[in-house]
Amino acid sequence: AQSVTQLDSHVSVSEGTPVLLRCNYSSSYSPSLFWYVQHPNKGLQLLLKYTSAATLVKGINGFEAEFKKSETSFHLTKPSAHMSDAAEYFCVVSEVGGADGLTFGKGTHLIIQP
Amino acid sequence: DAGVTQSPTHLIKTRGQHVTLRCSPISGHKSVSWYQQVLGQGPQFIFQYYEKEERGRGNFPDRFSARQFPNYSSELNVNALLLGDSALYLCASSLDSAHQPQHFGDGTRLSIL
Repeated sequence: AQSVTQLDSHVSVSEGTPVLLRCNYSSSYSPSLFWYVQHPNKGLQLLLKYTSAATLVKGINGFEAEFKKSETSFHLTKPSAHMSDAAEYFCVVSEVGGADGLTFGKGTHLIIQP
Repeated sequence: DAGVTQSPTHLIKTRGQHVTLRCSPISGHKSVSWYQQVLGQGPQFIFQYYEKEERGRGNFPDRFSARQFPNYSSELNVNALLLGDSALYLCASSLDSAHQPQHFGDGTRLSIL
């Protein structure tokens, strides 16, 4: 069985400062890991994905994430926050070949202070 | 290119009714998945269809059913609606299996009165 824990329900940062959204996962097999972003009243947009290639994954809009197997973590970072980054962020795990779909964390609400 | 399209965007029903939600995948995508997102929570997996066959099912009651058509579009049906079925229903498509990145539509907001 697979599961995801997002360690912070809310994160607040000032514009121009770094962003860190934390995620731990559990998976019986080699997982695929993703981060999605959801703006209010919108669907989900894929930020980046890890599928057993490079452990440091670069995504869109300046976001990146590092896969650490020993820590079962997949934290999302961005060097400098922008007001448009304010949204809900979901860490997601999927087992290769599994039929359980994507398993989402509960989400982290990112607040950007001016 | 058009993304994943869902219809309707909003829907209001009463308890006991049934509802049909529709989804058109990205052109060339053969897999469609459905998710339920209750307010304040992450999406929960309901179904995955690939090449018109059910390939996966989440922990939802039999009141939920779905199908995929030859053109790869899909319908989600929910019978005997309950207040707890109020949610955003998201459709996602991918080229093939569930572990590929999935592309999501904007969802159907279902409200049960």
